[in-house]
Amino acid sequence: DAGITQSPRHKVTETGTPVTLRCHQTENHRYMYWYRQDPGHGLRLIHYSYGVKDTDKGEVSDGYSVSRSKTEDFLLTLESATSSQTSVYFCAISDGDTGELFFGEGSRLTVL
Amino acid sequence: AQSVTQLGSHVSVSEGALVLLRCNYSSSVPPYLFWYVQYPNQGLQLLLKYTSAATLVKGINGFEAEFKKSETSFHLTKPSAHMSDAAEYFCAVVAGGTSYGKLTFGQGTILTVHP
Repeated sequence: DAGITQSPRHKVTETGTPVTLRCHQTENHRYMYWYRQDPGHGLRLIHYSYGVKDTDKGEVSDGYSVSRSKTEDFLLTLESATSSQTSVYFCAISDGDTGELFFGEGSRLTVL
Repeated sequence: AQSVTQLGSHVSVSEGALVLLRCNYSSSVPPYLFWYVQYPNQGLQLLLKYTSAATLVKGINGFEAEFKKSETSFHLTKPSAHMSDAAEYFCAVVAGGTSYGKLTFGQGTILTVHP
């Protein structure tokens, strides 16, 4: 199995609070992605990274920011959480741009 | 831009019956196509992929999919369902070139297998 660790795995927070989710990989893969999964929507790309300090927006990036200061870590930050950001968040990694991704086990976030 | 449509959010079959999960795609460039599977409370894992080689692609656990350009389809099949196949299945597409491997997913199909 690909070495991907997401933390925290579960979090409950209140509207308006900042939240940071961490994705840590031990595979030295270049590409990293953050997706959110919601019923009826499949997975939607939030942000992605194609190298250290190289990041870009996905299709649902509003309200989210990311940082990648090291190859192994990709952080997703919700500056001020809203109830619409209640979701399951998945980190994924890839060593190429072919779309063959390895996924973490997910982080379930509930915003009250 | 590319998109994926999975027909049927839920599919139910009996153990031993044929599994058919439908996927249609839209892409302005030759696509790479994927099926991923998600078991309860887990992340997704790759089932199979089409990357412009053979149009009939074989994956893990006895699944296969056929790329049909004329129908813009990439349906997933398995001749005989097993109880362990119960999961959610996602079809996904990525454009080639400088797409950075960004996948666009379908809405998902939950497969239920009855004894």
